[in-house]
Parts: sequence; C-alpha cells; structure tokens
Amino acid sequence: DIQMTQSPSSLSASVGDRVTMTCRASRDISNSLAWYQQKPGKAPKLLLYDAFRLQSGVPSRFTGGGSGTDYTLTIFRLQPEDSATYFCQQYLLTPPVTFGGGTTVEI
Amino acid sequence: EVQLVESGGGAVQSGGSLRLSCAISGFNASFYYIDWVRQAPGKGLEWVGRTRNRANNFFTEYAAPVKDRFTISRDDSQNSVYLQMNRLRTEDTAVYYCARSVNGFDYWGQGTQVTVSS
Repeated sequence: DIQMTQSPSSLSASVGDRVTMTCRASRDISNSLAWYQQKPGKAPKLLLYDAFRLQSGVPSRFTGGGSGTDYTLTIFRLQPEDSATYFCQQYLLTPPVTFGGGTTVEI
Repeated sequence: EVQLVESGGGAVQSGGSLRLSCAISGFNASFYYIDWVRQAPGKGLEWVGRTRNRANNFFTEYAAPVKDRFTISRDDSQNSVYLQMNRLRTEDTAVYYCARSVNGFDYWGQGTQVTVSS
C-alpha cells in the first residue's frame, strides 16, 4: 500500500497570509494526487486533482504543486472561510485508495 | 444537479448488521466508480471499498479491515449503491460517505452515522 504523510498536522495563520502544506507519498505517484478541504460536520470537498488541476468552482488562490513523492498545497491570501482540515489522497495504485492524516488550518 | 444521499445509518451492537444506501441523481451511476469512505470520530478519512463501473463489470474491491464483512452492490434501476455491513465491530463506528470517483472524489454525499456499541 502507498502511505501518505501530511505535514504539519496543524498550523495557525492570519487573514491574507500564504500557507503551504505538504504531502509525501511512500513511492512515486506520478501526480495522481487529490486535495480536499473539510469543514466540521461536512463532507470533504475536492479542491485539486492530478496534483495541480483546479476543480471547477474552486478559487484560484488554492494552488497545487510537486511531483514524484512530494506534493504541496498552497493557499494564497488566506481567507476566514479557509479555516478547515485539508487532506491529500493518492489514486495511482489502488486498492487501497489512501489518504494523508490531514492538516488543520486555524485562522 | 448531482446528488448522492446516504441513508441507513444508526446504532447497532457489536456483531450486528446494517445496510447503507447511496441514492444517486444527476448522473448515471453505472458509468462511474462509486466508493465508500468513512471517518471515525475526530479522525481522518479511511477508504472502505468501491464498485467499479459497468465497463469494468461493476467489480468490487475492499479495504483490508472490512474485507469479508462488508459487501458493496448496485441497483441500476434505482441508480443506487449499497453497503451491506455484517459482523460489525466497535472500530467500525464512523460517518460513512459515498462518493463518485473520477481522479479523486468529485462528488460526495452528506454522510450517515454508524455507531457500534459493545
């Protein structure tokens, strides 16, 4: 199974800041990576897929990058509504689909 | 409008069974992989299993912790997917989501709570 490790587990930032979180796969996943935002009591929401492709309707301040085993999610100009937990997920080699443990962003 | 709506959750004792439903509207489910993902209280996301699309004979796959206890099925006439959960354990307590799989999960249901007591 491919293990996904996210860091940091939590971070605190201010409105207008730029924040970056990382996701490391235990092997090369060839950009087969999705990022999700989840708010308390809600289902996850797909933000990006194929590591950097923005899902329709998602603000462009969310940017994905990376390659191979290491990927990043950057949020530019942080907004109050960005307070949430962010998960990465690989879909190159399944089953199983695997998720990272999450990064909680506090604003 | 695409919608996935889960139902069937509830409280059950260890060793019991539950059947979750995922009612789908806005697209033909037979063309898509449909997955189940769960989230234990205060924890991260855990993949449970999937049913592939018609082109892949609706083949089903499961995560190791639920294999041989859970079964995923479909009813094309109802455009629905089901998760039959048998021999439930306390560690199966979670919110269960169904989701459409297309390079990641692009649509999710609202989730249904399953609570297993000892």
